[in-house]
Amino acid sequence: GAVVSQHPSRVICKSGTSVKIECRSLDFQATTMFWYRQFPKQSLMLMATSNEGSKATYEQGVEKDKFLINHASLTLSTLTVTSAHPEDSSFYICSARPSFSEQFFGPGTRLTVL
Amino acid sequence: KNEVEQSPQNLTAQEGEFITINCSYSVGISALHWLQQHPGGGIVSLFMLSSGKKKHGRLIATINIQEKHSSLHITASHPRDSAVYICAVPSSYNTDKLIFGTGTRLQVFP
Repeated sequence: GAVVSQHPSRVICKSGTSVKIECRSLDFQATTMFWYRQFPKQSLMLMATSNEGSKATYEQGVEKDKFLINHASLTLSTLTVTSAHPEDSSFYICSARPSFSEQFFGPGTRLTVL
Repeated sequence: KNEVEQSPQNLTAQEGEFITINCSYSVGISALHWLQQHPGGGIVSLFMLSSGKKKHGRLIATINIQEKHSSLHITASHPRDSAVYICAVPSSYNTDKLIFGTGTRLQVFP
C-alpha cells in the first residue's frame, strides 16, 4: 500500500517552455502533498507544501509564479515549471501524506531544460 | 533549527557483510525516517520510527530518543542494497517539514 506515482519520469524541454509534473497517490487519499527538488549529490530541499483545495505554502526563496502548484483533489497534485530555464534542470520529487506522520515519496521526475 | 548528521558519508562492503549507518540529530523529535534512494533517483520510505526498533526483512532500524541517535542496519548485504540511505527528521518549528541528512552512499560488491 501507500504508493505514490509521478508522471513523467523524465522530461526534456526547450528553454522558455512550461512543463507540468503530476503526483498521484494511488491507494490512499493525501490531504497534504510536498514538492522537493534535488540537485546532483545534494540533499532534498522542500519547495512547497500543498494542501487539497487551498493555496500551496512555498519555502523561502522559491518563486511562486515560476513553480505553480495545484492540489485539486485528494489524490493529485501538479507542479508546473513555467518559462523553464537550464538552471531549473533538476530532479523533482513529490511526497504524499495520508496522516499526520508519515510521508510516502514518489519516484521523481528528472527535468532537463535545453 | 534541527541539524541532522549521518555517518559514514560513503561505505563500501563485500556481499554478506553487516552494515551500519548512523544518524544523529540535535533537537527532540516525534519520529525519524529512513529513506533509500537508488541510482535512478527514486526514493523509498524504509522506516518511520519514534522509539525502539523496527525490522523489515534484512533491514533493522533502531532509535535512542534520549541520545538523539538512530542506526540503520543491513544484515547479509547484497549488491542490490547499493543505494544512498537518508535519514530525515521533522523540523523543530514546522513538523510538516522534513530535515534531511546528507545521505550515506553504500556500495556492496559481489
